Parts: sequence; C-alpha cells; structure tokens
Amino acid sequence: DIQMTQSPSTLSASVGDRVTITCRASQSVVSWLAWYQQKPGKAPKVLVYKASSLESGVPSRFSGSGSGTEFTLTISSLQPDDFATYYCQQYNSYPWTFGQGTKVEIK
Amino acid sequence: EVQLVESGGGLIQPGGSLRVSCAAAGFSVSSNYMSWVRQAPGKGLDWVSVIYSDGSTAYADSVKGRFTISRDNSKNTLYLQMNSLRAEDTAVYYCARARVPDAMGMDVWGQGTTVTVSS
Repeated sequence: DIQMTQSPSTLSASVGDRVTITCRASQSVVSWLAWYQQKPGKAPKVLVYKASSLESGVPSRFSGSGSGTEFTLTISSLQPDDFATYYCQQYNSYPWTFGQGTKVEIK
Repeated sequence: EVQLVESGGGLIQPGGSLRVSCAAAGFSVSSNYMSWVRQAPGKGLDWVSVIYSDGSTAYADSVKGRFTISRDNSKNTLYLQMNSLRAEDTAVYYCARARVPDAMGMDVWGQGTTVTVSS
C-alpha cells in the first residue's frame, strides 16, 4: 500500500498568512493526487485534483504542485473560511489512501 | 441539483450486518465510479471501496471479504453491505462520486451516515 504522510499535523496561522502543507508518498503516484478540505461535522470538499488542477469554484488563493512523491498545497492568503482540516489522497493505485490530515488553526 | 443522500446507519452489535444506501440525484451512478469513504470518531479519512461504471469493484484490505459494494441502476442508488461488523468499523460512512476516468478526485459527497458497532 502507498503511505501518504502530511506535514505538519497542525498549523497555527493568522488571516492573511501564506500557508503551505506538504504531502509525501511512499512511492510515486505520478500526478494522481487530490487535496480535500473538511470542516467539523461536514463532508470533505475537493480543492485540487491531478496534483495541480483547481476544482471549479474553488478560490484561486488555493494552489497545488508536485509530482511523483512530493506534493504541496498552498493557500496564498489565509481567509477566515479556510480554518479547517486538509487531506491529501492518492488515486494512482489501490487501495486509495489519504494522508493523516493537517489541521489549520487560528493563531 | 447534483447530490448524494446516505441512509441506513445505526447501532449494530459486533458480528452483525448492516446495509447503508446512497441515493443519487442529478447524475447517474451507473455511468460513474462511485466510492465509499469512512471516518472513525476523531480520526482521518479512510477509503473503503469503489465500483466502476463497468461494475468492477475494489476494496480496502480491512473490509475485503466482509463488505460488498453494489448499485441499483433503476433506483440510481449505491449500497454498501457490511457483514461481520467489528468495533473498529464504527465510523461515519460517506459515499462519493469518483471522477477517476477524468483524472479528477471525488467531487460530490453525501452528508454521511453513522454506523456504530457496539454491544
């Protein structure tokens, strides 16, 4: 199975900060990687697919990059609505696997 | 409107069986990859199973042989039959449309249904 490791696990930031979350795969997933945002009690929402493609309707302050085994999700200017938990997920091979999550908290 | 609505969760004893459902609106489950993802209380997301548009299926090792994913095209509904349930299967179960053939992620999710396995 491909292990997905996110860092950091928790991130404290202020509104307006630039935030970067890293996701590393235990073996190459090429570009078959998605990022999700989840708020408490709600279903996840896809932000980025195929490593760097922004889902329709997602604000342009979100961006994804990387390929192979190392990926990043960047929020260029953190907004109040962005405080949530973020997950990466590979869909290169079965079983699909998620990272453990990164909680973005208010500093 | 494109949406998914899960139902069928509840409290079940260890070793028991339960079937959860996911009714789709605004698109066809038979024409899409459809997946189940679960989330144990206070934990992260855990992929469970997928069914392809051609009916092929795949499962996580933790549920293989115990869970079965299926669909009823006439009802436009996805199912997850769960047998031999264990305490560690306790979770919120989400269904999602998985646009893998388009190289996209899981773009439509239900609200989730809670399954609690306990005596």
